[in-house]
Parts: sequence; structure tokens; C-alpha cells
Amino acid sequence: AQKVTQAQTEISVVEKEDVTLDCVYETRDTTYYLFWYKQPPSGELVFLIRRNSFDEQNEISGRYSWNFQKSTSSFNFTITASQVVDSAVYFCALSEANTGGFKTIFGAGTRLFVKA
Amino acid sequence: GAVVSQHPSRVICKSGTSVKIECRSLDFQATTMFWYRQFPKQSLMLMATSNEGSKATYEQGVEKDKFLINHASLTLSTLTVTSAHPEDSSFYICSALPAEIYNEQFFGPGTRLTVL
Repeated sequence: AQKVTQAQTEISVVEKEDVTLDCVYETRDTTYYLFWYKQPPSGELVFLIRRNSFDEQNEISGRYSWNFQKSTSSFNFTITASQVVDSAVYFCALSEANTGGFKTIFGAGTRLFVKA
Repeated sequence: GAVVSQHPSRVICKSGTSVKIECRSLDFQATTMFWYRQFPKQSLMLMATSNEGSKATYEQGVEKDKFLINHASLTLSTLTVTSAHPEDSSFYICSALPAEIYNEQFFGPGTRLTVL
């Protein structure tokens, strides 16, 4: 069964600090996809990244970076030099390719507060 | 490209009435659409998977007679909350899976339902 755990409920940092959001997942499938989404107060989900299970290469996009480690079933997300605009809820999600209809399961979310 | 719209964005209704929410893929065809519900400060919970031309598949605990889903075309799925009650007040989000991109879904902006 699919499961996504985001153990950090809330994180508060001061602007310009680096912050890492943790995500641990469980799946029995060998082919799966991992995602990170940002949900600002408006509610609309903003897609950040997709990673498939066969690609463990870490990725950097501007101030954002992701560390995917299959050995520990983790897909952590780091924001470097955080800004107030980064304040939002961040969700990690998992989709199994073999599940009919590409069902996606979301973690509980981590609420990030960035103070000026 | 890959835009999903929802209508209405916000609705307030009286207890006992029915409310219909539309989800449209504007620039692609979606064989599969998903409906999620998100209560305040909680994660997105998958309610049902909707496939064009067939009956929706509901997640455990979701009443199919209360949440009617119709996916009549490749660009439109509707969710009708029948006999709504205050406990149905929530943020409803749809997503669409393009027929040609099997591993990424695109989310609508959400509909905030308030039942008085």
C-alpha cells in the first residue's frame, strides 16, 4: 500500500535561512513517481517537481533542490536562502504506475513560515 | 498548456441543497480525472477516480450516493454534492490526467464549498 509521511507539521525560519522538508514514502511497486507541490494561502496547488523511481539523480532549480534516496525511501526538499514568499504548505506525493488510474497519495503536508 | 479549470471557485449554499462543481481540461483531453477533498489544515484526500464514459471508482468511506460524479466527455467531469450538510463544507480539488501523458496530473484551482 502507498504511504507518504511528512513528519514535520510546521517549520518556522527566518528569511535567508536554509530549510529542508522531509518526505518518507512506502510502496511495493518498483515503478512509481514522487512529487512536491506548494499550496499558498489561495489554495491552488503549484507543481514543483516530479521524479520517477528510476532516476535518483538529485535536482536543483534555482533556490530549490531535491534529494531522492531509494535506500532510505526519502525524497527531501531543500529551500536555500528562504524568502517570505516561500511561506506555504508543501506536500509530498506518491503515484504508483501499476495502480489503475495513476492514483496519487499525498502526505500530511508541512506548513512553512518564513519570517522577515 | 495543460490548464484545468473549476467552476465555481466558491459557493455558499443552504443545508439540504445540492451543489454541482465542474472540472474542465481546457487544452487537452483527459481520460481520467480525480476528485479530492481538503479540510482546513489537512491534506488532500482522494475521493474518487473518474474515467470518461464509465462509472467512477470511489475511495473507501466516500458515499457514492452523496457525491455523484459524472465524466461525460474527455474534457469535463462534474461532482454533485447532494443534500449538502455543514460537515460537507470543504475545499474540493479536481485533477486531470492527459491521455498522452500518463504520469502527470494537472490540478484545478479548487472550489471552496460552505454549507450553512
